[in-house]
Amino acid sequence: KAGVTQTPRYLIKTRGQQVTLSCSPISGHRSVSWYQQTPGQGLQFLFEYFSETQRNKGNFPGRFSGRQFSNSRSEMNVSTLELGDSALYLCASSSASATSPVEQYFGPGTRLTVT
Amino acid sequence: AQTVTQSQPEMSVQEAETVTLSCTYDTSENNYYLFWYKQPPSRQMILVIRQEAYKQQNATENRFSVNFQKAAKSFSLKISDSQLGDTAMYFCALNNAGNMLTFGGGTRLMVKP
Repeated sequence: KAGVTQTPRYLIKTRGQQVTLSCSPISGHRSVSWYQQTPGQGLQFLFEYFSETQRNKGNFPGRFSGRQFSNSRSEMNVSTLELGDSALYLCASSSASATSPVEQYFGPGTRLTVT
Repeated sequence: AQTVTQSQPEMSVQEAETVTLSCTYDTSENNYYLFWYKQPPSRQMILVIRQEAYKQQNATENRFSVNFQKAAKSFSLKISDSQLGDTAMYFCALNNAGNMLTFGGGTRLMVKP
């Protein structure tokens, strides 16, 4: 099976702009989670989607949003970019159905730089 | 809220030797999974090993094994016969509700030739 893919891999944006990142999960996985990784804050959970519904949300401002499509592909959007949004954004997919915790498989990440 | 703590920011080990990375966690849930992930310089997060909390037997994957002490909320990773390719950041992670992983701060492991 192909792994989790993320596009684009690298992105440079200017403060105030918005950005959309894409994630395609492993075939058959219906859960997609997003994480932000920064040197200062480490790895932080953004949100999780399952069957097109946001199931869990981390402690991030409303500028961070996401969605999931019927084919399980997911996008996350960040509006009004700030310098502090510069980070590696990781997407992970899993075969979790209901609420049982299972392992997640990560994509290569999108490196976002805000100038 | 759940927390994961890795008290060793950096460690080094000689090639072919054994090293143990520490992790402690806190959760009020009974049903949870613990994981060790490896993140090499390429940044791709790779699952190393997982442990279900309800299983008493420690998980093993080739050269990687864990010491799971549920009462002490401790979950250490032992790497045997260390190889140069094991050089990476190692993250301990807890999943106890849906798919929200809580990560520790990471341990940077350097394997020296």
